[in-house]
Amino acid sequence: DVKVTQSSRYLVKRTGEKVFLECVQDMDHENMFWYRQDPGLGLRLIYFSYDVKMKEKGDIPEGYSVSREKKERFSLILESASTNQTSMYLCASSLPSGTGSSGANVLTFGAGSRLTVL
Amino acid sequence: QKEVEQDPGPLSVPEGAIVSLNCTYSNSAFQYFMWYRQYSRKGPELLMYTYSSGNKEDGRFTAQVDKSSKYISLFIRDSQPSDSATYLCAMTLNSGYSTLTFGKGTMLLVSP
Repeated sequence: DVKVTQSSRYLVKRTGEKVFLECVQDMDHENMFWYRQDPGLGLRLIYFSYDVKMKEKGDIPEGYSVSREKKERFSLILESASTNQTSMYLCASSLPSGTGSSGANVLTFGAGSRLTVL
Repeated sequence: QKEVEQDPGPLSVPEGAIVSLNCTYSNSAFQYFMWYRQYSRKGPELLMYTYSSGNKEDGRFTAQVDKSSKYISLFIRDSQPSDSATYLCAMTLNSGYSTLTFGKGTMLLVSP
């Protein structure tokens, strides 16, 4: 019954490495999101996408990029990982706007990917 | 002033207690309000969804929105140890191309 799958639950990388975090959803959702979650800071939006090949910056896009080549897959890329990117990364998806009053606002989250950068 | 304020807790209660979780916000344009529950080492899951002011009940859970006071609440009746989790409030302007603004979450611990 898994709907949003994040391929890696735990990763340990070294400073300067390129890191790929993959997210796949099987609900045919148009919208996909990447958040990071840190103690005391809560959930912060990194990037989101409303359609294939489309991306929008969230609140903290610096140091990150994304790729959405297929509707079901949204990848988060850390071009050169740094220790301050150690965090829990959460992917989410939702229906598009116009899908009733709740569709676009109801996020389905993955289980998260805990990244440690040494 | 932060856009959404939520006490981080932890809030510790005995089993069977009534729990009240709250968020205040500053943007009067918010119209859609949600509560997400997050168990340890899991992603958040939607618990309650309300539009504008009023109450909504679902089993042991009641969500209240008071837009005049910019205050939302989640009440849990007959709390259970399985309710132990972090509760995140979230809100947004409309159902179009606007993203959610989350509170930082309140950790709830229900002891048997």
